[in-house]
Amino acid sequence: GAGVSQSPRYKVAKRGQDVALRCDPISGHVSLFWYQQALGQGPEFLTYFQNEAQLDKSGLPSDRFFAERPEGSVSTLKIQRTQQEDSAVYLCASSLGGNNQPQHFGDGTRLSIL
Amino acid sequence: QKEVEQNSGPLSVPEGAIASLNCTYSDRVSQSFFWYRQYSGKSPELIMSIYSNGDKEDGRFTAQLNKASQYVSLLIRDSQPSDSATYLCAVNEGGYNKLIFGAGTRLAVHP
Repeated sequence: GAGVSQSPRYKVAKRGQDVALRCDPISGHVSLFWYQQALGQGPEFLTYFQNEAQLDKSGLPSDRFFAERPEGSVSTLKIQRTQQEDSAVYLCASSLGGNNQPQHFGDGTRLSIL
Repeated sequence: QKEVEQNSGPLSVPEGAIASLNCTYSDRVSQSFFWYRQYSGKSPELIMSIYSNGDKEDGRFTAQLNKASQYVSLLIRDSQPSDSATYLCAVNEGGYNKLIFGAGTRLAVHP
């Protein structure tokens, strides 16, 4: 597709359930990023991949958060044993690769934990 | 802790006026600076990138960068009601790919 595609757009889960969020980057984009955006705030960095290598996971808030990109294209962000504070919009972005390239965002997944 | 600061607004301007949005950042080694527009309930949309001191113009938008003052701004000329959105300033941390975002400035353009 032309842009970054994320699914599902909305996800409601009960506290304690595991969730998986998918991101399909722009074709040819080497770099892929996950961000978390709380209401009224700017996106906050979670993790970064270059191809299949996870180069930075410093923003993952706890060991319940796990991300992978096994073939260097589609990425999945998994959250285990969800908590209410995990409720947020999860944004995926991709870029051509290399430093300083602009990042292009998908529509995000709005996660609500009940 | 690297920070990006923006006035939360709302910044209210009349249609046809110039809107001026400002951003300061703390990381002196940052090399790339971006402005994103975000409509309510939508994802951030890249509108400007700037890498060197001075001005960069693209249509009605002008980005200004002053690395000595650690300051970046966005000017929107001939503001339209469709420009009403939250504008996010983003700065790369440590010269690498990780972006640090400000909380955004809400712009309201009234007819």
